[in-house]
Amino acid sequence: SAVISQKPSRDICQRGTSLTIQCQVDSQVTMMFWYRQQPGQSLTLIATANQGSEATYESGFVIDKFPISRPNLTFSTLTVSNMSPEDSSIYLCSVVNHRVWETQYFGPGTRLLVL
Amino acid sequence: GQSLEQPSEVTAVEGAIVQINCTYQTSGFYGLSWYQQHDGGAPTFLSYNGLDGLEETGRFSSFLSRSDSYGYLLLQELQMKDSASYFCAVSGAGSYQLTFGKGTKLSVIP
Repeated sequence: SAVISQKPSRDICQRGTSLTIQCQVDSQVTMMFWYRQQPGQSLTLIATANQGSEATYESGFVIDKFPISRPNLTFSTLTVSNMSPEDSSIYLCSVVNHRVWETQYFGPGTRLLVL
Repeated sequence: GQSLEQPSEVTAVEGAIVQINCTYQTSGFYGLSWYQQHDGGAPTFLSYNGLDGLEETGRFSSFLSRSDSYGYLLLQELQMKDSASYFCAVSGAGSYQLTFGKGTKLSVIP
């Protein structure tokens, strides 16, 4: 298994500002992903964080709005830029290890409220 | 694209058995997974079916029929702590990415 921590756990931000969310894993992992989840709703994949190269974004998500970094095999950041109230959501990172590829482990999430 | 359908809510009595169905439409299907999420918590992996048939893990079982694009999660001997949301998710060929259904909120009542 993998133990994942996210910082911050929650935040309240003003519109127009940016927030960077950190995801730290206790072991090297093959893949890292970022999801968004509205309370009571499903999980939507934002992007795959690629080590040493640009993230791969899903339809509807762009790098200017959600820049992602992955400098090594255990750490990634997601920035929510120029925030609006519509960005209020829970942001989760998840990881996959190629040895147990069918299992995704999720971090505890970052609860973001934009005023 | 990919789409998954599962019931939005299910209520069952403690000690009973409940089945949560999931139908999917997808290209390049590789497998079906199930995740559990308690309110305020992170999703946690329950099971994975890559081949047709039943997979059993303790009180939980999961079934897949690739020809019918259908699967289900079976929970036996329900406990109050099983009250949570359950998501089915599909993975595509050659990809670790998951596409999640909208989730089924299970309420276990005494």
